[in-house]
Amino acid sequence: EAGVAQSPRYKIIEKRQSVAFWCNPISGHATLYWYQQILGQGPKLLIQFQNNGVVDDSQLPKDRFSAERLKGVDSTLKIQPAKLEDSAVYLCASGPGPNYGYTFGSGTRLTVV
Amino acid sequence: SQELEQSPQSLIVQEGKNLTINCTSSKTLYGLYWYKQKYGEGLIFLMMLQKGGEEKSHEKITAKLDEKKQQSSLHITASQPSHAGIYLCGADSSNYQLIWGAGTKLIIKP
Repeated sequence: EAGVAQSPRYKIIEKRQSVAFWCNPISGHATLYWYQQILGQGPKLLIQFQNNGVVDDSQLPKDRFSAERLKGVDSTLKIQPAKLEDSAVYLCASGPGPNYGYTFGSGTRLTVV
Repeated sequence: SQELEQSPQSLIVQEGKNLTINCTSSKTLYGLYWYKQKYGEGLIFLMMLQKGGEEKSHEKITAKLDEKKQQSSLHITASQPSHAGIYLCGADSSNYQLIWGAGTKLIIKP
């Protein structure tokens, strides 16, 4: 079974620039998450999709972050404009839900300079 | 809201020694996950526990969920350099949400 694919693996941008991350979940997984993980901390949920609908985006900074899930499969997360404090690893995970586990992608490490 | 507390925050262990990491929940756990993370990378699934008193092992790593389902421990026997990394516990909350502990950073001294 293929895992969760994320790209790019690394990205360095200047503040105020825009950036986009891509995630391809495991086939058939209805639930997709985007997490932000700052060094030394646990993952922080940004947005959760169930199929192509948003379940929870309460912690997504909507003035600069946006996300969509195309046809309930792939998802993109965008930051525009980026701030220094956005430097983090952005993790995508998918799953069938509770009791069945979740699979994470390798993450995208973003550095804003 | 439910919270997960991990202890210790960091751990330095001599290679070959045993160690234990704990994860304590403020509410009853209905699904508890242990993941391992290498610096700056994604999370690798280790084990999932659901039933009170459940214990699972994989190679030299054993995870337990207590009878009250509010605490889990991860035990590594005869630690090796490959065990180094950040260990995270996660739990199912409402709305299919996962909540996370802050992680335990494990360093293995040769």
